[in-house]
Amino acid sequence: EDQVTQSPEALRLQEGESSSLNCSYTVSGLRGLFWYRQDPGKGPEFLFTLYSAGEEKEKERLKATLTKKESFLHITAPKPEDSATYLCAVQAGFQKLVFGTGTRLLVSP
Amino acid sequence: DAGVIQSPRHEVTEMGQEVTLRCKPISGHNSLFWYRQTMMRGLELLIYFNNNVPIDDSGMPEDRFSAKMPNASFSTLKIQPSEPRDSAVYFCATARQGGNTEAFFGQGTRLTVV
Repeated sequence: EDQVTQSPEALRLQEGESSSLNCSYTVSGLRGLFWYRQDPGKGPEFLFTLYSAGEEKEKERLKATLTKKESFLHITAPKPEDSATYLCAVQAGFQKLVFGTGTRLLVSP
Repeated sequence: DAGVIQSPRHEVTEMGQEVTLRCKPISGHNSLFWYRQTMMRGLELLIYFNNNVPIDDSGMPEDRFSAKMPNASFSTLKIQPSEPRDSAVYFCATARQGGNTEAFFGQGTRLTVV
C-alpha cells in the first residue's frame, strides 16, 4: 500500500531559524513527489514536483530534495509569512496523489 | 483564470438530509479530483475523473456518496443521507491531462452535519 509519513507534526521556529521538514514514502513506482502549502481556510497551493532521486528545486526560502525513500523541504531564514501547513504527496498510478497528514509550521517574529 | 471554483463554501445540514457540493474546474483541465480532509486522516482521495469519465472511485466511503461530471465544466459530489461523521472539508482539484502534472485545488467546502 502506498504511504506517506511526514514529520514533525508541528514545528515552531523563530524568524531566521532554518530547519527541515521530512516526508518519508513507500510507493510502487514513484511517478512524482509533490509539495504543497496550505493556509488556514484555503485549499493546498502547489510548490514543487520532484521526479527522481537527487533532484532539487528551490523557490525563495524553500528548497526541496528527493532520495529514494524520502524528501526534505528545507526552509532557510524563515519569515512569519512562511507559517502554514506543508503537505507532501506521492503520485501513485495515473495522476492519483496520496497525501501525508502535513507539518504545521509556525514562525514567530 | 479564476481557478477551481467550489460552492457552497460552508454547509450546515441536519443528519439524514441530502447534500450536494459543486465544482467548476479550470478551463482546459481534463482531470478532476474530489478529496476529503479531516484532522485525523488528512487529505483522502474520494474519486477522480478523466475527460468526464470516473476512473477510480475506490476512495468513496460508501454508497451514500456519489459523484458526477456531466460535462467538462461541472462536477457534483452528493451525500444522501448525510451523517455527522461526514463532517469535513471537501476539496475539488483539477489538472491537465498527461501524467505527472500538478493539481490545482479549490477553496473547499466545509460541511457540518448536525
